[in-house]
Amino acid sequence: EKVMTQSPATLSLSPGETATLSCRASHNIGNNLAWYQQKSGQAPRLLFYGASVRATGIPARFSGTGSGTEFTLTITSLQSEDFAVYYCLQYSNWPSMYTFGQGTKLDLK
Amino acid sequence: QLHLQESGPRLVKPSETLSLTCTVSGDSINSKFHYWGWIRQSPEKGLEYIGSIYYNGRTYYNPSLMSRVTISLDTSKSQFSLKLDSVSAADTSVYFCVRTGIQPFDYWGQGALVSVSS
Repeated sequence: EKVMTQSPATLSLSPGETATLSCRASHNIGNNLAWYQQKSGQAPRLLFYGASVRATGIPARFSGTGSGTEFTLTITSLQSEDFAVYYCLQYSNWPSMYTFGQGTKLDLK
Repeated sequence: QLHLQESGPRLVKPSETLSLTCTVSGDSINSKFHYWGWIRQSPEKGLEYIGSIYYNGRTYYNPSLMSRVTISLDTSKSQFSLKLDSVSAADTSVYFCVRTGIQPFDYWGQGALVSVSS
């Protein structure tokens, strides 16, 4: 079973700052990694797939990097609408199995 | 624009079967490029993949739920459905229907909170 570990659990930053979120896979998943943003009361929204491919409509201040077991989501020049919970997802065995990380909450400092 | 909408009972008794339907509009459920699936979310377990179905009816289930889950497709109504047997309080969650494919879970329904309680 592949386990996804996100860090930190909570990240407190101010608008204009840069957020760096990490996701670690227990096994090599290649680039089969996606990132999602979830705001309170809403469904998650796809940000990246293939570790670094931006989904439709995602601003350029968001970037995704990594491969194998270590992945990073970076958000530069934080804006008020960016404060949310972010999840990573591994899908190396899709469509049979997918595994989410436990999430990182990006808080307004 | 693709739209997914969950429907079904929001309260289920312990040991009974949870049943939800997802109605798809704006895309063909017969597409060979996509799968249609279910994900649930609870404070205790976070986001959990339940399973998915392909246009030809082939199903894929999370091994941890496989013994209790059935996903089916009704192409004439552009719907797919979830049945989860023998539910307990641990199955209380928000259930999302989703589209997946090369872009994993690119479209989501709004979610349906289903509570298991007597």
